[in-house]
Amino acid sequence: SYELTQPPSVSVSPGQTARITCSADALPKEYAYWYQQKPGQAPVLMIYKDIERPSGIPERFSGSTSGTTVTLTISGVQAEDEADYYCQSADSSGTYRVFGGGTKLTVL
Amino acid sequence: DVQLVESGGGLVQPGGSLKLSCVASGFTFSDSAMHWVRQASGKGLEWVGRIRGKANSYATAYAASVKGRFTISRDDSKNTAYLQMNSLKTDDTAVYYCTTLLDYWGQGALVTVSS
Repeated sequence: SYELTQPPSVSVSPGQTARITCSADALPKEYAYWYQQKPGQAPVLMIYKDIERPSGIPERFSGSTSGTTVTLTISGVQAEDEADYYCQSADSSGTYRVFGGGTKLTVL
Repeated sequence: DVQLVESGGGLVQPGGSLKLSCVASGFTFSDSAMHWVRQASGKGLEWVGRIRGKANSYATAYAASVKGRFTISRDDSKNTAYLQMNSLKTDDTAVYYCTTLLDYWGQGALVTVSS
């Protein structure tokens, strides 16, 4: 089965840059999507199609891709960015979606 | 405003059935694939399955963990998607979200499978 691997946790100080990776276990890689989830809330889409940012999402959030790894970068991290972040993609048929295990971002 | 409102959650015994509904408003529901995603308490997100729109013959797909037990359907005249859950197991206990997997997510419906 198709799997996406994320680090369980990332910690940064305010104003620093946080990078959260998501590695797919096979090629080809479908587009990846990133979600932010705060406790007790539904996920919010932060990045779609690897690098695109929905309207209303701060510019400090960006996505990039290299090979089978996609990365969510948060530049100038703020306290309000503390949350769980999930990547999502699909298998090569584009049919079966899968989420990464999630990364807890802690702002020190 | 866009809204997705789930209902139908609750407590059910192992082996039982439950049907969730998701009423959509504020966007063109009939053109949208609708997905169900669940999250057990303290755990990550798990994709459950999806149903495409009429243009794609209402095609469905399911995660291996629920295939053969769960069925997704939709009624475009009511802007509603459904998740029929049969042969429920304790591992199915979770908050169930309906979502387009893009901008739109419901608030979630809690399903508890316990004796």
